[in-house]
Amino acid sequence: EAGVAQSPRYKIIEKRQSVAFWCNPISGHATLYWYQQILGQGPKLLIQFQNNGVVDDSQLPKDRFSAERLKGVDSTLKIQPAKLEDSAVYLCASSLVPGTSGANVLTFGAGSRLTVL
Amino acid sequence: AQSVTQLGSHVSVSEGALVLLRCNYSSSVPPYLFWYVQYPNQGLQLLLKYTSAATLVKGINGFEAEFKKSETSFHLTKPSAHMRDAAEYFCAVSDTGTASKLTFGTGTRLQVTL
Repeated sequence: EAGVAQSPRYKIIEKRQSVAFWCNPISGHATLYWYQQILGQGPKLLIQFQNNGVVDDSQLPKDRFSAERLKGVDSTLKIQPAKLEDSAVYLCASSLVPGTSGANVLTFGAGSRLTVL
Repeated sequence: AQSVTQLGSHVSVSEGALVLLRCNYSSSVPPYLFWYVQYPNQGLQLLLKYTSAATLVKGINGFEAEFKKSETSFHLTKPSAHMRDAAEYFCAVSDTGTASKLTFGTGTRLQVTL
């Protein structure tokens, strides 16, 4: 089966500019996650969707970050305006609906590496 | 709140030697525990998971981990390291209620030398 697709793989911007990342999950996976992985740290959950609804966005810096999953499939994560500390790899992952057998297994994309200068 | 602590940000072993990567968890409810591996410029790949069945869990690539409730540990081991095992390894925990919401440790980079 096809994996989780993310683009772009690399992006360099200056602070105060905006950037958007795209994710296409595995077909049939209703749950989609965006994680932020800062160099030297483990991934941190930013937002979790189930279909097109937000399940958890408690750690999303809402003053500058936004995410949407309008049709319950693809998702976009946007940062505007970017700060230096946003430099990180943004990982998208997907899984089956919680409660489904195998739902606790996340499949990750390769990530989008953001450098803010 | 759940958390995991990975002891040692860098571990170096010789090819053919035992690999031991340490993970201790903190959880107020019975946890689900996971080990993920991340190769350079790639996403995370699941190695193995503990979901309250057998305490000794076998995963891919010859890795295994043992859930020890008394020690709140879930250490990852492999009897004989290969060069291809060089990567970053992450331990993660979720609670049984929202099994898909993971909290990751800070990772351990494994170096394998000749």
